[in-house]
Amino acid sequence: EVQLLESGGGLVHPGGSLRLSCEASGFTFDSYAMSWVRQAPGKGLEWVSSVSGSGGSPKFADSVKGRFTMSRDNSKNTLYLQMNNLRAEDTAVYYCAKEPYFDSTGYCHFEKWGQGSLVSVSS
Amino acid sequence: QSVLAQPPSASGTPGQTVTISCSGSSSNIGSNDVYWYHQLPGTAPNLLIYRNNHRPSGVPDRFSGSKSGTSASLAISGLRSEDEADYHCAVWDDSLSGPVFGGGTKLTVL
Repeated sequence: EVQLLESGGGLVHPGGSLRLSCEASGFTFDSYAMSWVRQAPGKGLEWVSSVSGSGGSPKFADSVKGRFTMSRDNSKNTLYLQMNNLRAEDTAVYYCAKEPYFDSTGYCHFEKWGQGSLVSVSS
Repeated sequence: QSVLAQPPSASGTPGQTVTISCSGSSSNIGSNDVYWYHQLPGTAPNLLIYRNNHRPSGVPDRFSGSKSGTSASLAISGLRSEDEADYHCAVWDDSLSGPVFGGGTKLTVL
């Protein structure tokens, strides 16, 4: 069974940093693209970033470009989201999601989601 | 302001058919496949429809998707109380080079 388990969320001051992790199990991790999608309180879903199965050339939404980096350690079946210079508007539940392709370019096919990790940015 | 426009709410009575719309543009719905996600309160989203009109295994055939031009729709027939949830449409946007979502539609079963 595919399982995704996020961790690392919490309360951080504006300008601070946080690293989210997503531990995957139940599938061949390095064969599939992975993404981060967030949801601000009471709002809709917003794509944040995606990376191919190899970890090369991650893509980012304009709202986080230059502040967030995404990586994966295929030897540990773990996906990461490093969030720097956090802003109040980054407050959201962050979900990691598995896609059914090696490269996610051109798709929004998030076939499995984790339970989410809450990030709160406040002074 | 979401790139894709969805009505914020929809409602129906048990047994009815409800349709939720998703409106976009030539750079997204007009040229790429549409996906629908279903989200119960306080839980993670789940894939409901992929590539416009395909259902993952386990999704009842009461749920169907369609696309025409720059708009897409999700239809739910034989409405049940457990269908009460938020529904989100999503599609790749060629101009933004990434996925975009609608604002979500909260479905209430009266």
